[in-house]
Amino acid sequence: DQQVKQNSPSLSVQEGRISILNCDYTNSMFDYFLWYKKYPAEGPTFLISISSIKDKNEDGRFTVFLNKSAKHLSLHIVPSQPGDSAVYFCAAIPGGGADGLTFGKGTHLIIQP
Amino acid sequence: DTEVTQTPKHLVMGMTNKKSLKCEQHMGHRAMYWYKQKAKKPPELMFVYSYEKLSINESVPSRFSPECPNSSLLNLHLHALQPEDSALYLCASSQLGGPITDTQYFGPGTRLTVL
Repeated sequence: DQQVKQNSPSLSVQEGRISILNCDYTNSMFDYFLWYKKYPAEGPTFLISISSIKDKNEDGRFTVFLNKSAKHLSLHIVPSQPGDSAVYFCAAIPGGGADGLTFGKGTHLIIQP
Repeated sequence: DTEVTQTPKHLVMGMTNKKSLKCEQHMGHRAMYWYKQKAKKPPELMFVYSYEKLSINESVPSRFSPECPNSSLLNLHLHALQPEDSALYLCASSQLGGPITDTQYFGPGTRLTVL
């Protein structure tokens, strides 16, 4: 049973436009949500996170929105750049202690020139 | 600094070999993690160490043996592995104590091939 779902395996966006990556979760115990960027054969790189007490968090070109009632979050990248091409994983954790991240299956973002 | 280092970067071993993967962080984090990632799949949790004690073992076969010698180091000892154990092994660490400190930082991984 997938507790974190990324329903778009891939997404193609033109350079300079906005990229929107979506993520849904089912476990109400999740309290903290993270987005990671990953290149093949490398470790995930932390991008941005959001606590369940917030609905928005911004860091430069990256913004994460959380709709707790819908159990939905999204990552906005604007403007999209060629270096953003990678696999993006949404992850969630109950929070407050050492626990494993539950990852979605990832979305492969392709930025086209 | 959010650096987690892992050695070796690549490892090829036979099914009768014994080898170890090493992970190190100097961020003062008190939780460390091992994940396994197969191709085109998300990382899957294997073990969690909290304050140098094993707190989570996700029913991992005994041919994988974790060890946390101190708060900065995490090892994964491998013995009698199977070809299906070939994967990218990722180490991560996090501070403990609240939502902001739950962010896990990952190392570059060790690409393991079992022949």
